Amino acid sequence: AQKVTQAQTEISVVEKEDVTLDCVYETRDTTYYLFWYKQPPSGELVFLIRRNSFDEQNEISGRYSWNFQKSTSSFNFTITASQVVDSAVYFCALKDNQGGKLIFGQGTELSVKP
Amino acid sequence: NAGVTQTPKFRVLKTGQSMTLLCAQDMNHEYMYWYRQDPGMGLRLIHYSVGEGTTAKGEVPDGYNVSRLKKQNFLLGLESAAPSQTSVYFCASKLPGNTEGYTFGSGTRLTVV
Repeated sequence: AQKVTQAQTEISVVEKEDVTLDCVYETRDTTYYLFWYKQPPSGELVFLIRRNSFDEQNEISGRYSWNFQKSTSSFNFTITASQVVDSAVYFCALKDNQGGKLIFGQGTELSVKP
Repeated sequence: NAGVTQTPKFRVLKTGQSMTLLCAQDMNHEYMYWYRQDPGMGLRLIHYSVGEGTTAKGEVPDGYNVSRLKKQNFLLGLESAAPSQTSVYFCASKLPGNTEGYTFGSGTRLTVV
């Protein structure tokens, strides 16, 4: 089965705290791609990262970092020193090789309070 | 500007009415997708198309029909709207291949009363 689970529905932190958003996936494919998207209050979907299953190196982009672990089928997202502008809904997604469909998790709503 | 354009951006329908949502892209993308977003459920795939003249069902196709008569347009139809179809609808497109990214439209907020 192709499935993405984001068990954290809502997270609330105070500005400057670090926060980790969890993502667990299931896939029948041996080669696959994982994504993270941000949806700010304005509603558009903003692409953050794509990671293929061959590359297990962690990635860092500014205050954002991603930890990909095939052994636990997880692709977690950490924001360091969170800011109010990080408040958004974050989606993890898996690309299904059939038709290139994106399968989304339920989303995690992050609220960063000043 | 190149991208995915969704029309309309907002709409209120009465139960039983019909309407068509238009998704247009000018990037010559082969693949196009219609998703619906509901609170706590993420984005769920309604229908998709891998090329002009082709369509396929996604996870939640019931109550919707689609057509891809032209490569640049992907239409989503509601024949008899129901309150359960109140949602935000997103269209996306991409080129074939693993390294190609997805382009999303800005969404259509539909309310069925």
